[in-house]
Amino acid sequence: DAGVTQSPTHLIKTRGQQVTLRCSPKSGHDTVSWYQQALGQGPQFIFQYYEEEERQRGNFPDRFSGHQFPNYSSELNVNALLLGDSALYLCASSLVITGTEKYFGPGTRLTVT
Amino acid sequence: AQTVTQSQPEMSVQEAETVTLSCTYDTSESDYYLFWYKQPPSRQMILVIRQEAYKQQNATENRFSVNFQKAAKSFSLKISDSQLGDAAMYFCAYRSASRDDKIIFGKGTRLHILP
Repeated sequence: DAGVTQSPTHLIKTRGQQVTLRCSPKSGHDTVSWYQQALGQGPQFIFQYYEEEERQRGNFPDRFSGHQFPNYSSELNVNALLLGDSALYLCASSLVITGTEKYFGPGTRLTVT
Repeated sequence: AQTVTQSQPEMSVQEAETVTLSCTYDTSESDYYLFWYKQPPSRQMILVIRQEAYKQQNATENRFSVNFQKAAKSFSLKISDSQLGDAAMYFCAYRSASRDDKIIFGKGTRLHILP
C-alpha cells in the first residue's frame, strides 16, 4: 500500500519564477492538504482540497494556488517566487469521512535563489 | 485563534532513560484533537500519538505516553527507554474536531539521544 508521495524531492528556482509541486495521496484517501515548513519552524497550513475544490485556506497570498485531479492527486503552484518561499513543502492526505488521521509525504525542498 | 507552544527548542537524553517533552496550547473550543508528530532527518512527518480532548484517559503507544491536562491546556509527551532511533524533531499539534480542519503545529523540540 503506497503512502503519500511527492515530487520532485528537491527543486532550485530563481526569484520571480513559477513552480509546480506534485502530491499523490495514500491509497483510499480523498483529501489533500499542503503545508509550508520554513527552516527551524513547524509546518504552516496553506490549503486543503477535497472533491477538486479548495475547502480551506491558511494565511497565504494568492501567489499560492492549487489543484486536485479526479484521481485525488494534487498540485501546488507558486507564482512570482520570493526568497522567503524557500522551504520544505509537505503534502498530507486523509479520508474526509474519518478525517482525523493525516498521512504526510516526505516533502519537496524548494530553494529560491 | 488556536496556538501551540513548545518551550524547549532542544533536549538531550541518555539512551534507555526517560524524557518528557512539553507542550501548551490555547483554544476556546471544547472538542479537539492533540497530536505529537516525529520528524526524523528523512523529513517524513510521522504520527507518534493522538489524544481526543473528550477522553480523560491519557493515550499510550508502546514507549510513548502523554500527560493531557485539559484545564491547564497542557499536553506533554513522555518517551520511556529512549532509543537512538528516537532522535528527531518532535512537533506538538492541534486540530479542531470540526470536519477535517487544518493542523496547527508548534515550533518543535529537537531531541538528541546520547549513547
